[in-house]
Amino acid sequence: DAKTTQPNSMESNEEEPVHLPCNHSTISGTDYIHWYRQLPSQGPEYVIHGLTSNVNNRMASLAIAEDRKSSTLILHRATLRDAAVYYCILRAQNSGGSNYKLTFGKGTLLTVNP
Amino acid sequence: GAVVSQHPSWVICKSGTSVKIECRSLDFQATTMFWYRQFPKQSLMLMATSNEGSKATYEQGVEKDKFLINHASLTLSTLTVTSAHPEDSSFYICSAWDHYSYEQYFGPGTRLTVT
Repeated sequence: DAKTTQPNSMESNEEEPVHLPCNHSTISGTDYIHWYRQLPSQGPEYVIHGLTSNVNNRMASLAIAEDRKSSTLILHRATLRDAAVYYCILRAQNSGGSNYKLTFGKGTLLTVNP
Repeated sequence: GAVVSQHPSWVICKSGTSVKIECRSLDFQATTMFWYRQFPKQSLMLMATSNEGSKATYEQGVEKDKFLINHASLTLSTLTVTSAHPEDSSFYICSAWDHYSYEQYFGPGTRLTVT
């Protein structure tokens, strides 16, 4: 599996934007970029995913570099409820079913200050 | 999004006993479910892939005779920790793959404490 590299931790203030980086220099052309987050004592929650173009949804935006070797998850206005561990994970485009294993790295622990 | 439930949410058992954890996909059918384990301050580690109607596929280093997985229906997979020991105390999380949305949804997790 292609690996991702994320900072161990980041800090933000409430109501401010947060940019969470992820490096994936060995990404293949068919890998999707997925982001999940995990709040304390809960299972992971899907945040967003993309392939080449930037993506927006109600939770966040995903900015993907032109060479796809890095991406950034953007939380436009951080709230205290966004404090979590954020995982950047690559998934092969043609995988499905039992091939849809997700390999979790250490992720980024986001702290949001009031 | 789709909902995956786990039962129980937490369990305390004595060393040597067995514990069963259920994982259900509530509003979709899941031919494939996954079981993860997470120790404190660590990331999720995949234990096994559960396929409906067939044997589970275990990751390297996971004892299949200790962690019994049954996926008897399209909405239910169970993980049984047999002869549990204190070192099996962990947060067990399941997920289910929805082949319509092509996404994987996670359960809320089960906290197992073995005394």
